[in-house]
Amino acid sequence: DQQVKQNSPSLSVQEGRISILNCDYTNSMFDYFLWYKKYPAEGPTFLISISSIKDKNEDGRFTVFLNKSAKHLSLHIVPSQPGDSAVYFCAATDSSYKLIFGSGTRLLVRP
Amino acid sequence: EAQVTQNPRYLITVTGKKLTVTCSQNMNHEYMSWYRQDPGLGLRQIYYSMNVEVTDKGDVPEGYKVSRKEKRNFPLILESPSPNQTSLYFCASSPQARVYGYTFGSGTRLTVV
Repeated sequence: DQQVKQNSPSLSVQEGRISILNCDYTNSMFDYFLWYKKYPAEGPTFLISISSIKDKNEDGRFTVFLNKSAKHLSLHIVPSQPGDSAVYFCAATDSSYKLIFGSGTRLLVRP
Repeated sequence: EAQVTQNPRYLITVTGKKLTVTCSQNMNHEYMSWYRQDPGLGLRQIYYSMNVEVTDKGDVPEGYKVSRKEKRNFPLILESPSPNQTSLYFCASSPQARVYGYTFGSGTRLTVV
């Protein structure tokens, strides 16, 4: 049973618009959440993280929102750029330090 | 340059022939981990290590071994590879995985025939 789920395998948005990538989790013991970006033929790169004691964290064009009651987090990219086209993974961890990843969402930003 | 280096990048082997994928990091990170990526399943953790001589199982440890004799190295060993271990493997390291996330290597594509 997948503890971290990304239900949208792909997303296509116009350059300059907002991209919203969603992630749901089932384990209430998760207390840190992270987003990674992955280009083809490269390893994933860390984007942004959020602690469960917060509901929002911003870093430039990237904002992560956490709704603990709904066990849902989302990554907002504003404005979206063609270079943002990649696969995005959300991940979660608890005190065991195991990092559990979702299956990924492929984002395409159209010029 | 700060990086995680894994070798080889590509490997084709036969069932049952022992192999080792090496991983080295030059960032003095405490945490290291191995993941495999399969279509539709995302990245699944195989093993992780919180320090020298301290390792623990991830979600899919069966058929794999690891060792952490030095801080910088974390090799992945497949004693008797099988076709279901055909996958894309990533090694990663972190100063503190929960907050800073992992730095990943470029991946090793393994095919077991």
